[in-house]
Amino acid sequence: DSGVTQTPKHLITATGQRVTLRCSPRSGDLSVYWYQQSLDQGLQFLIQYYNGEERAKGNILERFSAQQFPDLHSELNLSSLELGDSALYFCASSVVPGFTDTQYFGPGTRLTVL
Amino acid sequence: GENVEQHPSTLSVQEGDSAVIKCTYSDSASNYFPWYKQELGKRPQLIIDIRSNVGEKKDQRIAVTLNKTAKHFSLHITETQPEDSAVYFCAASKSSGTYKYIFGTGTRLKVLA
Repeated sequence: DSGVTQTPKHLITATGQRVTLRCSPRSGDLSVYWYQQSLDQGLQFLIQYYNGEERAKGNILERFSAQQFPDLHSELNLSSLELGDSALYFCASSVVPGFTDTQYFGPGTRLTVL
Repeated sequence: GENVEQHPSTLSVQEGDSAVIKCTYSDSASNYFPWYKQELGKRPQLIIDIRSNVGEKKDQRIAVTLNKTAKHFSLHITETQPEDSAVYFCAASKSSGTYKYIFGTGTRLKVLA
């Protein structure tokens, strides 16, 4: 157990809908990262937050947005969902904002868009 | 743009043999190179990492080597066991300029008993 929690574990929804994925980082970690992993694919970095502020952006679609709250938990919002958005979404956290420290991954949320 | 190439994409070895996975990065400013192991349906977990001021690091049966001149780094697993079967991802990141943490495409390792 990495100490990073994600909810829900599974999510099934329809095209065009909007969902929110939630992540709580390890105690003491200020930085949160979101990744998308499609079936049998690698990890695509989406976005990073540090202490409530957006720090770095990857290949995140405009239909997706995220935020980090004062208690440091983060939410990833996915809207106008398409079939191709079906994937495992991982959240990771680390202590400091630089990318050169260890990231600890949560168990992931499996999103299925029908 | 920056990328990390990882080879091979699949690797089968006999139990007890060694396995080597190689990654090449493009951004010469990269200075941190972690390796993650991901079992089916599970989260990626860090197994070993190396920073650019070190050429080699070892942890029991796992070692990582870094060649900064050639911009490549490798994961070495000795005396492989069936529980080593998983997908392994390398990554490269840097702490200067625009932060990036780029993963390789993964290697599916199968250890045959």
